[in-house]
Amino acid sequence: DAKTTQPNSMESNEEEPVHLPCNHSTISGTDYIHWYRQLPSQGPEYVIHGLTSNVNNRMASLAIAEDRKSSTLILHRATLRDAAVYYCILRDVPPGAGSYQLTFGKGTKLSVIP
Amino acid sequence: NAGVTQTPKFQVLKTGQSMTLQCAQDMNHEYMSWYRQDPGMGLRLIHYSVGAGITDQGEVPNGYNVSRSTTEDFPLRLLSAAPSQTSVYFCASRKTETQYFGPGTRLLVL
Repeated sequence: DAKTTQPNSMESNEEEPVHLPCNHSTISGTDYIHWYRQLPSQGPEYVIHGLTSNVNNRMASLAIAEDRKSSTLILHRATLRDAAVYYCILRDVPPGAGSYQLTFGKGTKLSVIP
Repeated sequence: NAGVTQTPKFQVLKTGQSMTLQCAQDMNHEYMSWYRQDPGMGLRLIHYSVGAGITDQGEVPNGYNVSRSTTEDFPLRLLSAAPSQTSVYFCASRKTETQYFGPGTRLLVL
């Protein structure tokens, strides 16, 4: 299984950019990099995903290293509502499985300081 | 468009009781799945389905049954609840690369 490594926790000041790192040194050529976040007492929500190129959407940007062994989720201007656990996940298709699975680690708990 | 809905929101069971956690989605997604989340942990996959009539086991399937008779519904059954099944359960559905999660069911087994 391709695995990811994230810091347990990070802090950011409100209205400042946040860079959440993720290492995935065993990534395979076809693995997509997904980011989800989980606000307190809620289910996870999709943030962004990418394969090789950097990606942007209304929530965040995803910067992927050229060798794809690491990536960074960028929140351009943190708000209090962005305080959550952020999960970096690699697509995982077990042998014989009918579809890929998302394997969640413990993620990075982001605290936003007013 | 309600997305993914789960009922009940909270349930208390006694050891040995059975119950069904309901999950429904109105987005016509073929893929649905069930996860459990224990305190301070990430989510672990219990069972998943790639379409009506097709289910498969995830990482922690023991003690749980599923069926998928329609595209919309994917219930999770606990046949004989155990304290180790105390957890928060999340249902999800997916189309292509975006997975949508329900609000969760908190289950306490005494």
